Order: sequence, then C-alpha cells, then structure tokens
Amino acid sequence: NAGVMQNPRHLVRRRGQEARLRCSPVKGHSHVYWYRQLPEEGLKFMVYLQKENIIDESGMPKERFSAEFPKEGPSILRIQQVVRGDSAAYFCASSPVDRVSGEQFFGPGTRLTVL
Amino acid sequence: AQTVTQSQPEMSVQEAETVTLSCTYDTSENNYYLFWYKQPPSRQMILVIRQEAYKQQNATENRFSVNFQKAAKSFSLKISDSQLGDTAMYFCAFMNLLPTTSGTYKYIFGTGTRLKVLA
Repeated sequence: NAGVMQNPRHLVRRRGQEARLRCSPVKGHSHVYWYRQLPEEGLKFMVYLQKENIIDESGMPKERFSAEFPKEGPSILRIQQVVRGDSAAYFCASSPVDRVSGEQFFGPGTRLTVL
Repeated sequence: AQTVTQSQPEMSVQEAETVTLSCTYDTSENNYYLFWYKQPPSRQMILVIRQEAYKQQNATENRFSVNFQKAAKSFSLKISDSQLGDTAMYFCAFMNLLPTTSGTYKYIFGTGTRLKVLA
C-alpha cells in the first residue's frame, strides 16, 4: 500500500543547471498536484495535472518551470536554469478520481538546494 | 480569491495540557472543505482533521477537535492532552468542494503555526 513517492529526496544543483523532480502518485490516483514550500512559509500551489493534461498551472512561474504527467510513468516537475530563489521543498500530492473526501495525499517532498 | 490566515506564528504548551490553534479564511463560496495538516521535522504532511462546510457538527479525531464557525469564517484546532510527538508545524488549508471554472481542486494553505510541546 505505497503512498505518494517522490525522488530524489534531496537535490543539489548549481545555478544554471536543470532540476528534475519525480512524483509517483498513490496507485489508482489520476490527479497530481505540485506545491512549493519556501523556508519558513506555507505550501503554495503550483500546478494540477491529470494524465496527459495540465488542468491548472496558475501557480507556476511563467518561465523555466514545466510539469507533465504522462500516460505511463511518474509526474515530472522540471526547472530549467535554476537560480538560488528556487531553493525550496517541492511537494507532490495525489487524489483519486472521485475526490469525495477532498483529501490529497502528500509525498515526503524533494528539497532542492541551489548553490 | 480565497485566503487563509494563521495569526499565531509560534505557540508552546506543556505536556498533557490543551492548546488551541487559530485559523480564519475568506471565501465567497458556500461549499468547501477545511483541513488541518501537521508537518513534523521530517517534513511529511500528515492530515490531522477534515471538516466539510455543509456539516454543522464539529469534526473530532481522538485528541484533536475543531471549532468551526462558518459565519465567522473561523476554523480553530484544539489539541487535548498534548504529547511531545505533537511538536510540529500545523497548517490550515482550504479547498473548494466544487471546482473553479478551471476545474481545479487546489489547496490554499495558511502560513502555519509552529507548536512546541514542553516536557
């Protein structure tokens, strides 16, 4: 009964490199959400995806950030040309199709450090 | 736009005592969910308790209960018989029950309250 899995747990990148964060939702969940948590702050919504579709990317920075949730495989959050301000914890959450309970199940997060 | 406010950045409580964390929110919607999540030092987000806005009865989960005041848009969390393991960040979150026009069910989080339980 695996929960949401994220990898890597910790990622260190130098300025200008690319960061690729992976999220495998709970088995059977087809809705994935990405949130960003800056130090000493709450989680901020970034993007909501269903299989092969981006439903809402209103919280995603317009440049350098992209997300996908392919038909097969994990959801990927990609940050190109990282800057120090991208240092944060990135959380993925998933929910089932019916969403009756409203609950989103969170992964352990990926902590990105940009040097 | 919905907002969630947690006005207590830090709180402390003696072990076995009771503590209340406050949360207020702003929305024009009538149907929504409210949540309290706990984030211990491991950073894992753990659901503590959930409240559906259409239910008048306050939710309870063992030592955790809420005081949901819909008219006042207030959603406080009471922790009874506090334990050392309750030490964590606590986040209040809001979610529309019906999706916005974009079809999203995103959570809106408050900035959190850091709770320390003292031995």
